[in-house]
Amino acid sequence: KAGVTQTPRYLIKTRGQQVTLSCSPISGHRSVSWYQQTPGQGLQFLFEYFSETQRNKGNFPGRFSGRQFSNSRSEMNVSTLELGDSALYLCASSLGTYNTGELFFGEGSRLTVL
Amino acid sequence: QQQVKQSPQSLIVQKGGISIINCAYENTAFDYFPWYQQFPGKGPALLIAIRPDVSEKKEGRFTISFNKSAKQFSLHIMDSQPGDSATYFCAASSGNSGGYQKVTFGTGTKLQVIP
Repeated sequence: KAGVTQTPRYLIKTRGQQVTLSCSPISGHRSVSWYQQTPGQGLQFLFEYFSETQRNKGNFPGRFSGRQFSNSRSEMNVSTLELGDSALYLCASSLGTYNTGELFFGEGSRLTVL
Repeated sequence: QQQVKQSPQSLIVQKGGISIINCAYENTAFDYFPWYQQFPGKGPALLIAIRPDVSEKKEGRFTISFNKSAKQFSLHIMDSQPGDSATYFCAASSGNSGGYQKVTFGTGTKLQVIP
């Protein structure tokens, strides 16, 4: 069974640009969550999608957005990039039903903003 | 507001020793407490998890101890090995009637096991 696939793995952008990251969940998983990982801040929750609907959202500005497609694949977009957006962005998939617990993470997309 | 506090931030243990990482939570609605292990260049992976109806869970060299009244839980790695060197995240989650489970992570502990 294939794992969670994130693309691209690495990217470099400049301030003011926008970026789109992609996530393909494990087959059969309907929930996709996005996290931002930075040194010292750990894993910060961005948002979660289930069956193409955003179910919950973390405390990030509106520059961070996402969507989910009918095949459960998800994308997140960051507009007007700032230096502080440099981070590892992790996608995690799960079955999405009540309290199933385990999240399955991809290897992340490392974004550097210059 | 950080709802899961994790300590220490970093830990160095000799091979064969015991590694102990502690976490504390505030939200009594949490009902699932997993630990994730992350190696450099990889995403976190579930290591072991516990629900609040038990006080301890052991899987091989890894044990979770859970103290519901103190709202604390800890990970013990017995006979620590260099291959255990990684970053460990504790987490806590709660579900709702809509099926959504929100997972809150600690800030992570970087463990180094030296030969």
